[in-house]
Amino acid sequence: GENVEQHPSTLSVQEGDSAVIKCTYSDSASNYFPWYKQELGKRPQLIIDIRSNVGEKKDQRIAVTLNKTAKHFSLHITETQPEDSAVYFCAAPTGSSASKIIFGSGTRLSIRP
Amino acid sequence: DTGVSQDPRHKITKRGQNVTFRCDPISEHNRLYWYRQTLGQGPEFLTYFQNEAQLEKSRLLSDRFSAERPKGSFSTLEIQRTEQGDSAMYLCASSLGQTGNTIYFGEGSWLTVV
Repeated sequence: GENVEQHPSTLSVQEGDSAVIKCTYSDSASNYFPWYKQELGKRPQLIIDIRSNVGEKKDQRIAVTLNKTAKHFSLHITETQPEDSAVYFCAAPTGSSASKIIFGSGTRLSIRP
Repeated sequence: DTGVSQDPRHKITKRGQNVTFRCDPISEHNRLYWYRQTLGQGPEFLTYFQNEAQLEKSRLLSDRFSAERPKGSFSTLEIQRTEQGDSAMYLCASSLGQTGNTIYFGEGSWLTVV
């Protein structure tokens, strides 16, 4: 069925180290994979997305990789900073017209000083 | 502010009462989504509209929940006979056109059922 699984649920890294969050999806028709960051008490905000015609996309310290064969995609944050502490969600479209966007369960990222 | 706006931001209601939330999407966006989010969980899809047409509704959504978007602009989400399990944040989001366009979230409407 329609599903997006996200791992890990919590992640703690030393400031300056890298963080990796992984998601798998079930709908082979999914063609767009956004990542959202949600700070406490605030709305989810898009930080990066990737479309199925590319395997990797980078934006400064953030990158996303996509493996369509394996149906998984990952968020990479390098040189982590305290302001990276938040909950991160992956998402993918699914449904009959691939317009229903479903989200993973989230990863709470903590950056240790 | 031309972002997605939601009203009210917070609502406390007694069990059994009806509540209604309103969402005003970004003006040119023709897609509108409703999600529910509980603490520690990701946004859970409830329903979405393309213009005024409600194209999909979650199987998890009971018949106590109804959403409308009568003129293809603002939307309302009504919960009838609220239960304590309905306590959550109700997020509205909108996007332009086809899949692959960013969906933008509102600040959410917090519901507490006592």
